[in-house]
Amino acid sequence: DTGVSQNPRHKITKRGQNVTFRCDPISEHNRLYWYRQTLGQGPEFLTYFQNEAQLEKSRLLSDRFSAERPKGSFSTLEIQRTEQGDSAMYLCASSLHRQGASDTQYFGPGTRLTVL
Amino acid sequence: AQSVAQPEDQVNVAEGNPLTVKCTYSVSGNPYLFWYVQYPNRGLQFLLKYITGDNLVKGSYGFEAEFNKSQTSFHLKKPSALVSDSALYFCAVRDKAAGNKLTFGGGTRVLVKP
Repeated sequence: DTGVSQNPRHKITKRGQNVTFRCDPISEHNRLYWYRQTLGQGPEFLTYFQNEAQLEKSRLLSDRFSAERPKGSFSTLEIQRTEQGDSAMYLCASSLHRQGASDTQYFGPGTRLTVL
Repeated sequence: AQSVAQPEDQVNVAEGNPLTVKCTYSVSGNPYLFWYVQYPNRGLQFLLKYITGDNLVKGSYGFEAEFNKSQTSFHLKKPSALVSDSALYFCAVRDKAAGNKLTFGGGTRVLVKP
């Protein structure tokens, strides 16, 4: 069990550029979540997948944000036309969901985005 | 809607003394409750969770938490704090009937002094 991994760990970009982050969940975990954490705040939910299906999206996820999990394994989060307000830590989590049980989300180290 | 409040931004405690980090929650249904810890430049690390049953939940590294339904609280406790417990602690709630997202509190910074 190697844990949730995220790449890159840090990304600095200029306003208006597109960025893409990758998350590799714990193997065999069927659920994958994205959260955003700004300085001094708790993480805020963005979206989650069960296998390759995106089941829930937050209102925080504007049209500039898109997430995919094409084969039900790794996921990507893309931000188009970045704005300074997008600067945050983007956290990925995964869990193993079984019917009738409560799954625990395990988090990766995050990708810190700075938009200049 | 679900929400979590952590009323203390920071808790200071001397090494060896008991540590308590407070959390209250609001959900429309029955809650699942979680505590996570975050060290600098790292992701959140799971400590413990309450699902059902015994109100006292024991977790990693000697931490425990007590679920109190009447007070809608889930305070984190450790009988004897270590300097290495200094970190940012987050309480989170999930409404059993309202999806799978976690809603986090704002976090409490714990500083354990030698």
